[in-house]
Amino acid sequence: NAGVMQNPRHLVRRRGQEARLRCSPMKGHSHVYWYRQLPEEGLKFMVYLQKENIIDESGMPKERFSAEFPKEGPSILRIQQVVRGDSAAYFCASSPPLAGGPQETQYFGPGTRLLVL
Amino acid sequence: DAKTTQPPSMDCAEGRAANLPCNHSTISGNEYVYWYRQIHSQGPQYIIHGLKNNETNEMASLIITEDRKSSTLILPHATLRDTAVYYCIVRRPGTGNQFYFGTGTSLTVIP
Repeated sequence: NAGVMQNPRHLVRRRGQEARLRCSPMKGHSHVYWYRQLPEEGLKFMVYLQKENIIDESGMPKERFSAEFPKEGPSILRIQQVVRGDSAAYFCASSPPLAGGPQETQYFGPGTRLLVL
Repeated sequence: DAKTTQPPSMDCAEGRAANLPCNHSTISGNEYVYWYRQIHSQGPQYIIHGLKNNETNEMASLIITEDRKSSTLILPHATLRDTAVYYCIVRRPGTGNQFYFGTGTSLTVIP
């Protein structure tokens, strides 16, 4: 059973360009979460999605950032007009459908390292 | 979700047990204790979780005090590959959204 997959693993963008980060959840998982980790800091929650729905985007910056999880295909985190402060590691996690308890464990992907020049 | 307190760093000799403490004095009755680790900026790796009973799996053991205000993660025979940042997280089931990662404990296993 393949784990959570993220691509690209490394992404370099110049200021003002767009960055698209992709996440494929584990098989059978219908919930996706995005986290951001700035250098020397802990992970910070950004957004929680189910298929075709954004459930909680309380951690998303109000501008330039968006996320989607379409019916088919991976989840996408999109950053428009990137700035140097967007340089970070972006991690995706997935979990099975909620039923309370152990089923809610989140499994993380390897991350995408974004560098904005 | 309840706040957790962990020591910023610890050392452990290779082959010995690593005992990582976590305080969560404001934990509520239905909140679980989760442990993750992050090895050298890789994605966080799930280790173990529990509610009130001690738990053991192939990676580690989790000891939760009777009043649930603190817990200890035990790696029974630490190896160099266990060097990582270990995060203790308290979370209510059914919230379905996020884990709060603090600063964790940086464990260094020494040869």
